[in-house]
Amino acid sequence: DGGITQSPKYLFRKEGQNVTLSCEQNLNHDAMYWYRQDPGQGLRLIYYSHIVNDFQKGDIAEGYSVSREKKESFPLTVTSAQKNPTAFYLCASSIRLLNEQYFGPGTRLTVT
Amino acid sequence: KQEVTQIPAALSVPEGENLVLNCSFTDSAIYNLQWFRQDPGKGLTSLLLIQSSQREQTSGRLNASLDKSSGRSTLYIAASQPGDSATYLCAVTVGGATNKLIFGTGTLLAVQP
Repeated sequence: DGGITQSPKYLFRKEGQNVTLSCEQNLNHDAMYWYRQDPGQGLRLIYYSHIVNDFQKGDIAEGYSVSREKKESFPLTVTSAQKNPTAFYLCASSIRLLNEQYFGPGTRLTVT
Repeated sequence: KQEVTQIPAALSVPEGENLVLNCSFTDSAIYNLQWFRQDPGKGLTSLLLIQSSQREQTSGRLNASLDKSSGRSTLYIAASQPGDSATYLCAVTVGGATNKLIFGTGTLLAVQP
């Protein structure tokens, strides 16, 4: 089955800890993205990568970091510098930039 | 700055009714527009994508239209079913150096059996 997988589905962490969210795709897409979704707000772009070993900040990159060492993987690290990390995180991919985006099932992160 | 608005925020209709969801955007310089469906606690499912040069797209009971000049898109759902109940999101792609989707806050649709 082709698609985008995110793990885990639910993640709980204590304040002050870094946590890494996984995103894998087997669609052979060049571009990958991370979004954050909060209640009552639209999705907001955290980081995106249009090709392996390259990535760019989105609108709300502060407190987050990413890597793109492999085409199929784009992990997101939520660092202790992120002031409000509790949210629903969605990963997406597209064949190239400006093409239709496909989304994974999401990871709900709760930090207490 | 591009802003996307969806009206209404919530909609409840009886099964079988045809309905229209609205999306408006402030800057007509878009590359494309996507409509998504989101079920509670789930990721987004892409429904339709309309390129900026197109006027509409159809998939089954869904029809999406785009009027770039007026900054509007509509999603028409024919013969609604309880399984259509979900949040519907529209998003516009702004071009330039990034493939950046700007999302609306969605319309929560409930189709009553």
